[in-house]
Amino acid sequence: EPEVTQTPSHQVTQMGQEVILRCVPISNHLYFYWYRQILGQKVEFLVSFYNNEISEKSEIFDDQFSVERPDGSNFTLKIRSTKLEDSAMYFCASSEIGNSGSYNEQFFGPGTRLTVL
Amino acid sequence: SQKIEQNSEALNIQEGKTATLTCNYTNYSPAYLQWYRQDPGRGPVFLLLIRENEKEKRKERLKVTFDTTLKQSLFHITASQPADSATYLCALALNYGGSQGNLIFGKGTKLSVKP
Repeated sequence: EPEVTQTPSHQVTQMGQEVILRCVPISNHLYFYWYRQILGQKVEFLVSFYNNEISEKSEIFDDQFSVERPDGSNFTLKIRSTKLEDSAMYFCASSEIGNSGSYNEQFFGPGTRLTVL
Repeated sequence: SQKIEQNSEALNIQEGKTATLTCNYTNYSPAYLQWYRQDPGRGPVFLLLIRENEKEKRKERLKVTFDTTLKQSLFHITASQPADSATYLCALALNYGGSQGNLIFGKGTKLSVKP
């Protein structure tokens, strides 16, 4: 069964450093998302991406964050200057495009645990 | 802003019984609701999606209901097994005119099924 994959599974970085988290969405999906989950808290939406541009973003997704689809398979999240509070699990998700008025399930990857020291 | 509450942080039941988890929301009516299972340190795993014009959805031992008047969804696992022990997340998406809306998640209910 096709699945979303993410690398690395765990990333440790120093405060102020840049990190890039990578995702390979399911191949026929056209909507891509990043979510994060701080330990013990709920999953929070960061950004959605469709047709090579950001579709929606949350208040969390400020100027230090950016997303890119550098080729036909990868979808990346870059954090420019990491802060301690960026430590969290970051989940990538993807979904098929629905017909107008329909909605499709989002499939999540296993996550990247980011630890900022 | 939209709020979601999953009434119980934890639910303990005996194997073979039906587990019923509750998800309530405030403010806007969502276009659809999704239920996910999450195991410790893992990503959410999609279980069921129910749309605003649907009352009930079933998949094997799982059943979801959606009551837009009560602003509530119920998630049932019948004939529960210890392997069903996990955290179950309710997530809703608002109507963005046909686009794929982002999901707003509840905190989850941790289900423990005892043998």
